[in-house]
Amino acid sequence: DTAVSQTPKYLVTQMGNDKSIKCEQNLGHDTMYWYKQDSKKFLKIMFSYNNKELIINETVPNRFSPKSPDKAHLNLHINSLELGDSAVYFCASSLRVSEAFFGQGTRLTVV
Amino acid sequence: KNEVEQSPQNLTAQEGEFITINCSYSVGISALHWLQQHPGGGIVSLFMLSSGKKKHGRLIATINIQEKHSSLHITASHPRDSAVYICAVILPGQGNLIFGKGTKLSVKP
Repeated sequence: DTAVSQTPKYLVTQMGNDKSIKCEQNLGHDTMYWYKQDSKKFLKIMFSYNNKELIINETVPNRFSPKSPDKAHLNLHINSLELGDSAVYFCASSLRVSEAFFGQGTRLTVV
Repeated sequence: KNEVEQSPQNLTAQEGEFITINCSYSVGISALHWLQQHPGGGIVSLFMLSSGKKKHGRLIATINIQEKHSSLHITASHPRDSAVYICAVILPGQGNLIFGKGTKLSVKP
């Protein structure tokens, strides 16, 4: 069973569209994250969320919004996609401050 | 300046060589991770350290909290070790990772 799964693995879409990336973890972890890996392969936190608190990286545009229907899911919604949003997005989870488990990544290409 | 600095940025080695990748950080941390990202893109956590040394197979990770420095060693390197190795830290009171820029390792047969 995959511990942290993301869908889709690849997403190609046009500028201006709205899209979602789904993430699910079956590890019973209490905290989930979204990270962005840019074209230079540098990873940066976008959001962290547990069932009590959403922490947003201040550099993330408000076109990006996390949605958590329950503790096992943290989906990423992106409105009005821009060319600069093209990147690989990783979901991850952990139990408090512990080892992090990553999804396989979603390669988003905005054309 | 990035809070987490890794060196070298790129590393090419011959199969069998002993490899060291270094990580320095400028802030107080609660823990440090070493991660591996293969060419296929997936990220795997190799170690999480808050003190001392950990060993898993041919991989050894050490951390010196006072010096704010960690090293990842690979003994008897193999072409399948070719990947990007990323150092990441967790700040006290937070859970998310702050990443270094990674070290791209290529092991030649």
